[in-house]
Amino acid sequence: QAVLTQPSSLSASPGASASLTCTLNSGINVDTHNIHWYQQKPGSPPQHLLRYNSDSDKQQGSGVPSRFSGSKDASANAVVLFISGLQSDDEADYYCMIWHSSAWVFGGGTKLTVL
Amino acid sequence: QVQLVQSGAEVKKPGASVKVSCKASGYTFTDYDINWVRQATGQGLEWMGWMNPSSGNTGYAQKFQGRVTMTRSTSTSTAYMELSSLRSEDTAIYYCARWTLRGDTAGFLDYWGQGAPVTVSS
Repeated sequence: QAVLTQPSSLSASPGASASLTCTLNSGINVDTHNIHWYQQKPGSPPQHLLRYNSDSDKQQGSGVPSRFSGSKDASANAVVLFISGLQSDDEADYYCMIWHSSAWVFGGGTKLTVL
Repeated sequence: QVQLVQSGAEVKKPGASVKVSCKASGYTFTDYDINWVRQATGQGLEWMGWMNPSSGNTGYAQKFQGRVTMTRSTSTSTAYMELSSLRSEDTAIYYCARWTLRGDTAGFLDYWGQGAPVTVSS
C-alpha cells in the first residue's frame, strides 16, 4: 500500500471550489505529521503552496492566496487541499508530501482541470 | 535574488554515471540544505535525498542507497548529485531545491532549480 494516495484527476468549474484529498497509509497517523502541498504547472518546477499540521500550526506559502487552504480528516486518515473561487490559472498538478521513515514521500499527484 | 541554476541536459548509456550540478546564488549557501527530486516524463515527483552544505552530511532515499552521492563545493556554492549504474528507468528531470528550515519538517522547498534532463539510452 502506498504511503500517500491521491486521486489521479479532478475536474471543476471556474468559480467553484475543489477539494483535493491525500490519504495516508493506514499505518501512518495523520495527526502526527506536517503535510505539505505543492503545485506544478507544465514545464515548471513545483511551487510550495502550504504546510498544514493543525489549525493553529500551519503556514501559507509565500504569495499564495488565501483561496488555498489545508485541513485534516482524522476519520479518513487524510488531508485535504481546499481551493475556493477556482480560476483557470489553478489548472495544474498538485502533490502532497510528508516525512516518513526518514524520507520525504510524495503522493502520486492529482491533475486538476478547470473547465 | 535567490537562484539555483542547474547544469544542462545529459544523455548517458545504461551502466554509466551522471553528475548534475546546482549552483546557488543570492544567499549563504551553507545556511540551507539542498534536496534532490526527480520526475520522469508524465510521472510524479520522487524525492532522492538531502545534503547539508555546511557539514556535508547527507540522507538518501532507501531506493537510491548505494547508487547516489550528493556532494558540494562551498567555494563555488555548488551542490552535486551523482547517480551511478544508470538504467532506462532513471530517465527523468532532476531538480535541486532549497529547504527552508534545517532539520525541521515544518520547513519546505522554497526555491527550485530549473531542472536537468537526463536521458538513459543505449
